[in-house]
Order: sequence, then C-alpha cells, then structure tokens
Amino acid sequence: GEDVEQSLFLSVREGDSSVINCTYTDSSSTYLYWYKQEPGAGLQLLTYIFSNMDMKQDQRLTVLLNKKDKHLSLRIADTQTGDSAIYFCAGRKRDDKIIFGKGTRLHILP
Amino acid sequence: ETGVTQTPRHLVMGMTNKKSLKCEQHLGHNAMYWYKQSAKKPLELMFVYNFKEQTENNSVPSRFSPECPNSSHLFLHLHTLQPEDSALYLCASSQESRVGVGGGRNEQFFGPGTRLTVL
Repeated sequence: GEDVEQSLFLSVREGDSSVINCTYTDSSSTYLYWYKQEPGAGLQLLTYIFSNMDMKQDQRLTVLLNKKDKHLSLRIADTQTGDSAIYFCAGRKRDDKIIFGKGTRLHILP
Repeated sequence: ETGVTQTPRHLVMGMTNKKSLKCEQHLGHNAMYWYKQSAKKPLELMFVYNFKEQTENNSVPSRFSPECPNSSHLFLHLHTLQPEDSALYLCASSQESRVGVGGGRNEQFFGPGTRLTVL
C-alpha cells in the first residue's frame, strides 16, 4: 500500500468541526505534517507534530497522533468557507525523506 | 519578494519546444526541490538539491533537466515533453535536505507552482 494514505474528499457544514484522517506505514517517522493547498497556490505548512507527542493544539487546529495505530488526524473547529482547500498529510522518515499523501479535498457546505 | 517564487505561473508548450521553469527562494535555505503534482497521483518528488549538489533524482526522464546555480535558484529545463507531462510543477525549499531528528521540523516551503500544459 501507499506510505501515507488519506481519504480523497470530505464535506462539512460551515460551523461544524472537520476531521481529516491519515494513516502511515513507517513507524519510525520523526515528524508528521499537515499542509494546506488553496486553489492556484502551493502547499503551505499548517501544523506539525513530533513523534513523541500525542496531541498538539493551535487555535482552531488539533492534531492527534496514535503511534500504535500509525494514525494521524487533523481537527478544524468551527469550519469556515476559507478552510476549503486540499489538506496533505506528510511524514518525515528517519532518512529525512518526506512522503506526502494524495490529499483530502475539504468542501464546505453552507 | 518573500518566500518561494516561481515563474512562469502558466506555460503552454508543444512537444517539440524547449522551455525552462524558474524557482527562487528568499529564505536563506540550502535545499531545493522539484515536485510534480498531477490529478491522479500523489505529490511526486522529482529532484533534490542540497548546497547546490543534486542529491536525489527519482528516476525522472531525461527530458526534464534540473539546474541549481546557487542555493537560491533552481531551474527545470524542459524539452520534447509528452502530453502526460502536463501537471502542476511545484518548487520547494528547506533549511537542508538532511538534518536528522535533532534538526528541528525542517519543513518545506512551497512556491505557487507552474501549471504546465503540453499540447
């Protein structure tokens, strides 16, 4: 299977929480990242978590890491129309290579 | 200019043309990357340069030729491309390509990309 997997689409109503999930295969990953790509733009780092942490919160963003299940999630509280974008999960391996998932397209419903 | 810039933003070329993509980073980084982003595949790493030396070539066809004259500039020279090479080409930079676990988050900063269409 792919090194980093995530679902391709997610639809959420404005004001609700969005949860984007990601699984990875390399248990030795050191850093895990969430990048956001808006239409016509490159990827922008949203947040990251070091492998010895299980949670990180940054304003409306909460990252949860379950190392046992190799599962990473990004929760966006109070989702706004400006959150509409593609979200990429990425893991950094011990050799510093960064592997990206295919991206989850987040669609906001009015 | 700040961050990572790429020119042109859009490029349409025929299969027999020769063109170049340019990337410039204003972040004082030492590593630069070329990625290909197409609809059907994950982000594909093409080339990595660290301190102007190419450290990675992920089996990229020779019709793509990178050039890194200094740590701030990266080019991708294109010739005799195929229609399947149409994609968004993203440039990125980071502090270094290899920093180890103690080297901090070393995230990559991306440019806006060049949308390439090969006719």
